[in-house]
Amino acid sequence: DAGVTQSPTHLIKTRGQQVTLRCSPKSGHDTVSWYQQALGQGPQFIFQYYEEEERQRGNFPDRFSGHQFPNYSSELNVNALLLGDSALYLCASSLGSQTQYFGPGTRLLVL
Amino acid sequence: AQSVTQPDIHITVSEGASLELRCNYSYGATPYLFWYVQSPGQGLQLLLKYFSGDTLVQGIKGFEAEFKRSQSSFNLRKPSVHWSDAAEYFCAVADTFGNEKLTFGTGTRLTIIP
Repeated sequence: DAGVTQSPTHLIKTRGQQVTLRCSPKSGHDTVSWYQQALGQGPQFIFQYYEEEERQRGNFPDRFSGHQFPNYSSELNVNALLLGDSALYLCASSLGSQTQYFGPGTRLLVL
Repeated sequence: AQSVTQPDIHITVSEGASLELRCNYSYGATPYLFWYVQSPGQGLQLLLKYFSGDTLVQGIKGFEAEFKRSQSSFNLRKPSVHWSDAAEYFCAVADTFGNEKLTFGTGTRLTIIP
């Protein structure tokens, strides 16, 4: 049983560019949450998707957007990248409101 | 708003010694509490969770945690650490049973010395 998978594992972008990160949830899970983990910090909640809708959102600007597909996979998009967006982006999946299970993350470096 | 405090940024423990990592939360209602572990370059692995009932919860890898409402604490313990326990440990709280939004502490880095 595959767990949560994320792609790519690493990527480098320059300021002002746009980036798309992808997440495939654990088999049987229908809810996907995204977190940003800056270096030396705990993860911070970005938003959560359920039934292809954004259900809850953390304190992140509109530059951060997402999408959930009918197969429950999800994308996180970040526009107009800033140096401060450099972080590990974690995806977590769950079955409805059950416990969240995390993927390995995508490490984004903005130069 | 809910919050989590992990007072210890870094702890060093000898292999075989006991371990206690501290976690304090701030939340008005019944909290839903979690401990996650993160190895270098990895995602988060759930160690254990508390929703209700017995205040002493058992987790994976020999870890346990005790919920103390009077102290707003949920400390993680292990009687004897192994070198493989070296990692970053995060305490988190959710505001609903559905843990729709996890709020994490800043983490405690655990170093094991031979």
